[in-house]
Amino acid sequence: AQSVSQHNHHVILSEAASLELGCNYSYGGTVNLFWYVQYPGQHLQLLLKYFSGDPLVKGIKGFEAEFIKSKFSFNLRKPSVQWSDTAEYFCAVILDTGRRALTFGSGTRLQVQP
Amino acid sequence: EPEVTQTPSHQVTQMGQEVILRCVPISNHLYFYWYRQILGQKVEFLVSFYNNEISEKSEIFDDQFSVERPDGSNFTLKIRSTKLEDSAMYFCASSEVETEAFFGQGTRLTVV
Repeated sequence: AQSVSQHNHHVILSEAASLELGCNYSYGGTVNLFWYVQYPGQHLQLLLKYFSGDPLVKGIKGFEAEFIKSKFSFNLRKPSVQWSDTAEYFCAVILDTGRRALTFGSGTRLQVQP
Repeated sequence: EPEVTQTPSHQVTQMGQEVILRCVPISNHLYFYWYRQILGQKVEFLVSFYNNEISEKSEIFDDQFSVERPDGSNFTLKIRSTKLEDSAMYFCASSEVETEAFFGQGTRLTVV
């Protein structure tokens, strides 16, 4: 079955550390890729998206992600995290451009310590 | 900034009762969605709605569920005869034709 995997369930970092959160999907067709963030008590917000073109995508708040088609991956990165980045991060995929439904990963809880 | 709003934020209902979860999508959006997240599990797609009809639905979205856009602004999810396992956070979302979905803050449904 098609799925999205986030292997890091809980990540704890100190401020200024670099971040990389993994996301892999299992689907051989065309995909649209997203990273959403959910700050404590708030709704899901889009960090960045990939539909086509440059596989290195830059999003808000200094986040970026790279689509590597050969590895079925879309990892999220940030060179230097801040305490305010503490949140849950969700990778999501639209499997097949004719569809609209998002398939979500299980999420990664990031805790940044001051 | 426009946002998707959901009411109520928390609903408690007795098993077997019907509930209606309400959402006001962003005004110029054309696609509307419901997702749910059972505590400790993934966010799961339920249904998408476009042009006044369901465009996609998951296997979760069985005859117990229905959606409606009753008045051109609200988008509702009705759950008939709720079960304990329907307890979850329900998220409404909306999007334009070729853009990402914008999510509401969610309604926490507790079935007792």
